[in-house]
Amino acid sequence: EAGVAQSPRYKIIEKRQSVAFWCNPISGHATLYWYQQILGQGPKLLIQFQNNGVVDDSQLPKDRFSAERLKGVDSTLKIQPAKLEDSAVYLCASSEYRGPNYGYTFGSGTRLTVV
Amino acid sequence: SQKIEQNSEALNIQEGKTATLTCNYTNYSPAYLQWYRQDPGRGPVFLLLIRENEKEKRKERLKVTFDTTLKQSLFHITASQPADSATYLCALARTGGFKTIFGAGTRLFVKA
Repeated sequence: EAGVAQSPRYKIIEKRQSVAFWCNPISGHATLYWYQQILGQGPKLLIQFQNNGVVDDSQLPKDRFSAERLKGVDSTLKIQPAKLEDSAVYLCASSEYRGPNYGYTFGSGTRLTVV
Repeated sequence: SQKIEQNSEALNIQEGKTATLTCNYTNYSPAYLQWYRQDPGRGPVFLLLIRENEKEKRKERLKVTFDTTLKQSLFHITASQPADSATYLCALARTGGFKTIFGAGTRLFVKA
């Protein structure tokens, strides 16, 4: 089966610019996650979708970050305006079922550098 | 606040030996504990999951233990190979909030 697809793989932008990341989960996976992984740290959950509804966005900086999952399949994560501290790898993951009793399948991530 | 601790120093072992990685947690009562492998430039790959009522789980050369009294999980790779070199992340979750919290990971180097 195809894995979780993410694009772009790399992005370099200047601070205060905007950027968007795209994720296509495994077919049939209802739950989709966006994680932020800063160098040397573990992934931190930004937002979780169940189909096209938001389950948890408590750690999403809503003044600058937004995410959507139209039609319950693809998802986009946007940052506007970007700050230097947003430099990180943005990982998308999906799982067939909601809940932590199943492992997540991650994409390769988008490495964002804000200069 | 919830805290997960994994050895920040890299673990260096000789091929064929058993690698043991530690995951400690505080201020948390997880129902599930997961272990992932992450290679440079790639996303984490799910390896094993163990539930709070399970003491031990095995999969091929991998073994995970879960001690809820000590608030600790140990991850063992037996007969280690250079291809096992990677960063290993532990992740905890409860059934209520579904939010999975990741540790920072431990880097493992297996020398031939």
